[in-house]
Order: sequence, then structure tokens, then C-alpha cells
Amino acid sequence: EIVLTQSPTTMAASPGEKVTLTCRASSSVSYMHWYQQRSGTSPKLWIYETSKLASGVPNRFSGSGSGTSYSLTINSMETEDAATYYCQQGSSYPPTFGAGTKLELK
Amino acid sequence: EVQLVESGGGLVQPGRSLKLSCLASGFTFSNYGMNWIRQAPGKGLEWVASISSSSSYIYYADTVKGRFTISRDNAKNTLYLQMTSLRSEDTALYYCARHRPTGSGWYFDFWGPGTMVTVSS
Repeated sequence: EIVLTQSPTTMAASPGEKVTLTCRASSSVSYMHWYQQRSGTSPKLWIYETSKLASGVPNRFSGSGSGTSYSLTINSMETEDAATYYCQQGSSYPPTFGAGTKLELK
Repeated sequence: EVQLVESGGGLVQPGRSLKLSCLASGFTFSNYGMNWIRQAPGKGLEWVASISSSSSYIYYADTVKGRFTISRDNAKNTLYLQMTSLRSEDTALYYCARHRPTGSGWYFDFWGPGTMVTVSS
């Protein structure tokens, strides 16, 4: 099983601040996918195939990485971005998720 | 609009059974693989089971293998999860999610709101 380690576990960012969340895989994966989960709601696909934004995702978000190291970046933090972000690999069974990064507004 | 709506959750005693359903609409259900994914209270996401579009391929997490059975009825646009020998650690919000393949792997592009399963005496 491929283990995904996300960092940081929690963080706070001010409006306008640049934010980078990271996800490291215990073995190389072809792509990383990211989900946003706001409090009390179900997860939403946010970034797929490492760098493609899901429908409706603002272009201040971006994704990058390869092999075992991936990241999600917010160019300029906004209030609505406060949420928990999970990375997920689907390169091998079982599909696995990271433990999540909780992003709060400072 | 793609919609997935889970049902069937509730409070159940340890060792008992429960069957979850997920009604799909807004897309051709029979063309897509489907999944169950769960989230224990205050915890992260755990994939539970997958089923291919024609039910030819089925996979389970080790934590539920032998106890849970995933199935689907394409005529009814419905996904199921039969859960037996339930344990307290199965307590979670259960989501159904649509499976989207990539060139080398897959992700989950639509999720339902979930149905809560609580296993307690």
C-alpha cells in the first residue's frame, strides 16, 4: 500500500498570502489528485492528474509534482479557501488518501 | 447534473448487518465504475470498495474484506454496500463516489453527501 504523507497538518494563512501544501508518497505514483472538504460537506474533486483544475476551481490554485513529491499552491489566499485538503493516489490498489491538511484563515 | 444520493445508514449493534444504497442520476450509470469511501468522525478518508461498470472487477480494502460486499444494479442506477459483522471501527460517514480513470490510475470525480453508520450497543 502506498502511504501518502501531507504537510503541514494544519496551517493558517492571511488573505492574499501564498500557500503551499505538500504530499509525499512512499513509492512513485503517476499522478496525484487533490480534494477540498469544507466543514460539514462532502469532499470535492479539486485538482486531478497532478495539475488540472476541476470544473469551477479558481485559477489561483495550481498543482505540481512528480514521482513521490507533489504540491498544491494557492497564489493568493481567500476566505473561501479555508478547508481541509486531501491528496489521493490511484496508481495502484488500494487507492489511498493523505491524512489531510487543514487550512485556516488567519 | 451528476447526483449521487446515499441512504440506508443508521444505528446498528456490533455484529449485525446493514445495507447501504446510492442512487445515481444525471449520467449514464452503467458506463462508470463506482466506489464506497468512508470517513470516521473527525478523521480522514478511507477507500472501502470499488466495482467496475459491468461488475466484472471488484476490490475491497483489507479492513472490510470478507465482511462487506459491493454490488450494483445498472437497471436501477443504484450502487449497494452490504455490510455484515459490523464493528465499532466501522462507524463512519459512508460516501459513494464515481470512478474516473486516467491514463494510469483513477480518481473520484463526484461524491454524494454521505450516509452515517453508527455501530454501537
